[in-house]
Amino acid sequence: DADVTQTPRNRITKTGKRIMLECSQTKGHDRMYWYRQDPGLGLRLIYYSFDVKDINKGEISDGYSVSRQAQAKFSLSLESAIPNQTALYFCATSDWDSQETQYFGPGTRLLVL
Amino acid sequence: QKEVEQNSGPLSVPEGAIASLNCTYSDRGSQSFFWYRQYSGKSPELIMFIYSNGDKEDGRFTAQLNKASQYVSLLIRDSQPSDSATYLCAVLYGQNFVFGPGTRLSVLP
Repeated sequence: DADVTQTPRNRITKTGKRIMLECSQTKGHDRMYWYRQDPGLGLRLIYYSFDVKDINKGEISDGYSVSRQAQAKFSLSLESAIPNQTALYFCATSDWDSQETQYFGPGTRLLVL
Repeated sequence: QKEVEQNSGPLSVPEGAIASLNCTYSDRGSQSFFWYRQYSGKSPELIMFIYSNGDKEDGRFTAQLNKASQYVSLLIRDSQPSDSATYLCAVLYGQNFVFGPGTRLSVLP
């Protein structure tokens, strides 16, 4: 089984809808991250969490919220989806003592119509 | 604003040649630098990281860091068609990673 999983893998939604992307990991890592990837722009950090009680905004947090339900689970919500949130979303994890290595989930492809 | 820049490519090299990928960064305080490989439709995977000025070798891959000039490069020796992918440079600024847009590499058989 994959160490970092994301659900759903693909999602089509309409403008104004609320959606949630979920990430789970079995690596036992404390640190979890949400990124989005757009063509030509690379990966941009949305939110990150260093433990269950720690949530931090990244470079592009507007329009998003997150929840760290447990050490192993980190969810990303779009409260009211808009078309420019169409992107590929990745969850990643890293360990506090080897933060240099990030392990990425398979990604969620989101299309907002 | 922390920035990481890369040529988007595509960079095309013949099989067996050396591929050279470059990355520049804006903050002199950065200490840690990473190269990720991303196949089309897949997630990024770490190739190697480097902290100190100079070269670091791992198999066919060599990372080179020059902090004075604020660039880091990745050399791929004996390039194979399976190396065809997008290569992402990432810089650790404090607790956060900033990624470059990636360079698409195509190794021609």
